[in-house]
Amino acid sequence: DAGITQSPRHKVTETGTPVTLRCHQTENHRYMYWYRQDPGHGLRLIHYSYGVKDTDKGEVSDGYSVSRSKTEDFLLTLESATSSQTSVYFCATGTGPTDTQYFGPGTRLTVL
Amino acid sequence: QKEVEQNSGPLSVPEGAIASLNCTYSDRGSQSFFWYRQYSGKSPELIMSIYSNGDKEDGRFTAQLNKASQYVSLLIRDSQPSDSATYLCAVLPSSGSARQLTFGSGTQLTVLP
Repeated sequence: DAGITQSPRHKVTETGTPVTLRCHQTENHRYMYWYRQDPGHGLRLIHYSYGVKDTDKGEVSDGYSVSRSKTEDFLLTLESATSSQTSVYFCATGTGPTDTQYFGPGTRLTVL
Repeated sequence: QKEVEQNSGPLSVPEGAIASLNCTYSDRGSQSFFWYRQYSGKSPELIMSIYSNGDKEDGRFTAQLNKASQYVSLLIRDSQPSDSATYLCAVLPSSGSARQLTFGSGTQLTVLP
């Protein structure tokens, strides 16, 4: 798992509330990614980072923002959670854009 | 059209048999291909990566790549019940805004004792 932790591991929240998920890595990997996984859709990229303060959008970025102020931490924020954002969120890291990605344990988020 | 297609399954094979998992992709210029295994409730873990046409073997696992047919497969020999999981095919396109790894929806494999 390349020394990747995610917090919280489970969260239940209400529609309209802000939510922040944290990914922490100890491998000093330059690249970090946030995915969501939903039945029938597989893993879809939300945002990724290619360095401190360097981030870009993925396939399903609407409603999400990210920040990376340190190499080891990558935060995913849902500014105003909606029920459609109920999902399992995975963080991943990698040494380069074409290299293997290693996944964290995931966060199960339920928005009521 | 989804860029990476996998048979969703479920695929069931008896213990000791060969399990064959298939994946097709739409970007002809793709260069990097990965197979991940995901147990229920767990995170994906890398099994194999393959970059060149042909076969690549690692223990009981063999990845096969045919770029002309835009096809990559994973064979699991001597399947064990512990191989029961969802297998995700992932492809790195040749171009695009960020060359983002694209995943298929996964094939659920069950190995019957």
